[in-house]
Amino acid sequence: DIQMTQSPSSLSASVGDRVTITCRASQTINTFLNWYQHQPGKAPKLLIYAAYSLQSGVPSRFSGSGSGTDFTLTISSLQAEDFATYYCQQSYSSFTFGGGTKVEIK
Amino acid sequence: QITLRESGPTVVKPTQTLTLTCTFSGFSLSTSGVGVAWIRQPPGKALEWLAFIQWDDDKAYRPSLKSRLTITKDTAKNQVVLTMSNMDPVDTATYYCAHIVPLRVGSGSFWFDPWGEGTLVTVSS
Repeated sequence: DIQMTQSPSSLSASVGDRVTITCRASQTINTFLNWYQHQPGKAPKLLIYAAYSLQSGVPSRFSGSGSGTDFTLTISSLQAEDFATYYCQQSYSSFTFGGGTKVEIK
Repeated sequence: QITLRESGPTVVKPTQTLTLTCTFSGFSLSTSGVGVAWIRQPPGKALEWLAFIQWDDDKAYRPSLKSRLTITKDTAKNQVVLTMSNMDPVDTATYYCAHIVPLRVGSGSFWFDPWGEGTLVTVSS
């Protein structure tokens, strides 16, 4: 099975900060990597698919990069509505989610 | 517009079988490349993929739960059903179904969009 490791597991940041979350796969997954935002009580929301493609309707402050085993989600200027938990997910071999990164208000 | 909605019991007893139904609209499971997945989130923990079924009846299960899971589809009713046998309190979670989108048919690159709102299932005697 492919394991997905996210870091950090949580972070505190202020509105306007640049935030970077990393995701590492236990083996190469090409660009078969997606990112989701999950807020309490809501359905998870797709942000980035295929490593760097921005889902329609998602603000351009979100971006994804990487290929192979190392990937990054960047929020260029954190907004109040971005406080949530973020998950990476691979589809190279079945599906696996990372452990999540909780972004909290500083 | 694609929508999905999960339904099923909110409480099940240990050793019972859980049956969850995902009712969807806005797409057909007879269309090439289309699929539906089930994902769960135990309280305070991360998302876990459980199973998926595709338009051609291709299926896959989380390896650690494979012996307990069954996924089926009813194309005419626009429904996907997940059963999980021998339920245990550790299976207490919010269960989601989601539409599977391929980068292109046969690419192997998939993502989940959109998701249903989820249904909380508690396992307790």
